[in-house]
Amino acid sequence: DGGITQSPKYLFRKEGQNVTLSCEQNLNHDAMYWYRQDPGQGLRLIYYSQIVNDFQKGDIAEGYSVSREKKESFPLTVTSAQKNPTAFYLCASSLGASGFDSGANVLTFGAGSRLTVL
Amino acid sequence: AQSVSQHNHHVILSEAASLELGCNYSYGGTVNLFWYVQYPGQHLQLLLKYFSGDPLVKGIKGFEAEFIKSKFSFNLRKPSVQWSDTAEYFCAVRRMDSSYKLIFGSGTRLLVRP
Repeated sequence: DGGITQSPKYLFRKEGQNVTLSCEQNLNHDAMYWYRQDPGQGLRLIYYSQIVNDFQKGDIAEGYSVSREKKESFPLTVTSAQKNPTAFYLCASSLGASGFDSGANVLTFGAGSRLTVL
Repeated sequence: AQSVSQHNHHVILSEAASLELGCNYSYGGTVNLFWYVQYPGQHLQLLLKYFSGDPLVKGIKGFEAEFIKSKFSFNLRKPSVQWSDTAEYFCAVRRMDSSYKLIFGSGTRLLVRP
């Protein structure tokens, strides 16, 4: 079945450590996204990528980094510079990030990764 | 800055009651509008979407939403809820400009009592 796989599902980190969250998709989607979900705040966009080797900052990119070396993969690194990293992180993908085609604008989400900083 | 507002953070209904969840956005240009749903323990999934045409759109499981451009609103409705509709509902708006960012509201937690 096609879909998005996020790992790990749960992750604990000590303060000062970097941690990388994995996101893999086999949907052949061009665009991929990382969102952060906090209670009462909805989903906030961290980074997104419209194509391999290119990505853009979202609304809350500070303290995070990403790479897009392969179409299928969009890992997110939460660095020690992120002041409040404890959250639920969601990866998503779509056919494309731009255009008026309906398929390009519909996101498919992974199951999420819950990061807790001790 | 663009924002998406969902005014009801928690809603509790009995089965068979009617549901309306509010969603307002602040961007004045062309938009695509979405409602996503997250059932307990499941992935976020698309409930319905509006791109153009008939402002009344129908989605899965009997849900519908109406786009009222003059009010910048995209409220979600269902005439008769079921216990299985218990979930968190998110409104989302994509600006059809150079940014193409998808902005989500803060979500509404719906609890349907049997």
